[in-house]
Amino acid sequence: DGGITQSPKYLFRKEGQNVTLSCEQNLNHDAMYWYRQDPGQGLRLIYYSQIVNDFQKGDIAEGYSVSREKKESFPLTVTSAQKNPTAFYLCASTPRQLKDTEAFFGQGTRLTVV
Amino acid sequence: GENVEQHPSTLSVQEGDSAVIKCTYSDSASNYFPWYKQELGKRPQLIIDIRSNVGEKKDQRIAVTLNKTAKHFSLHITETQPEDSAVYFCAASTPRGGGKLIFGQGTELSVKP
Repeated sequence: DGGITQSPKYLFRKEGQNVTLSCEQNLNHDAMYWYRQDPGQGLRLIYYSQIVNDFQKGDIAEGYSVSREKKESFPLTVTSAQKNPTAFYLCASTPRQLKDTEAFFGQGTRLTVV
Repeated sequence: GENVEQHPSTLSVQEGDSAVIKCTYSDSASNYFPWYKQELGKRPQLIIDIRSNVGEKKDQRIAVTLNKTAKHFSLHITETQPEDSAVYFCAASTPRGGGKLIFGQGTELSVKP
């Protein structure tokens, strides 16, 4: 299962703390995405980036921040402003043109607020 | 904004029966429609996809149909097996906003032996 790697697999956060989830890919893909997965709600888009040094908000960006300083890396920071951060987070990547292309997913990070 | 609706949320079938999952999308500019299977504790993986210029595609026991006029597409699994049990997600890619992939809410399929 190479290609796109998320770390850590499990993460615990105290209330009021910021935490950063890592996502790295070696597929030479231009586009990268962060999704949040909650039971019964599918995959909801948090942020996405089509090119280095540029990113856009998805449907649920509030309380999250990202950076895209390198093509292969797209870290997600869950800030203390995110009211309900406990969830499963998935990172994905695709070539820049979405048409006819498969999205590859990382194995996910399960974040729990304690 | 762009939206994908998926039904049903849960589906239980007997082994050997067929299963159908349906999705509708809101953005008429959407041009690519993949389906992903997610087994428990694992990452979603692509099982089949269809482009906007094709009405139907089949791969062994799996088929997908697309109706662009009605903006809906469906996944059909025939001769279901217990290993088909998983959560299935449909998605639609839209060029709006620079290009992004929007997912449905998921269908939990259970195949009973």
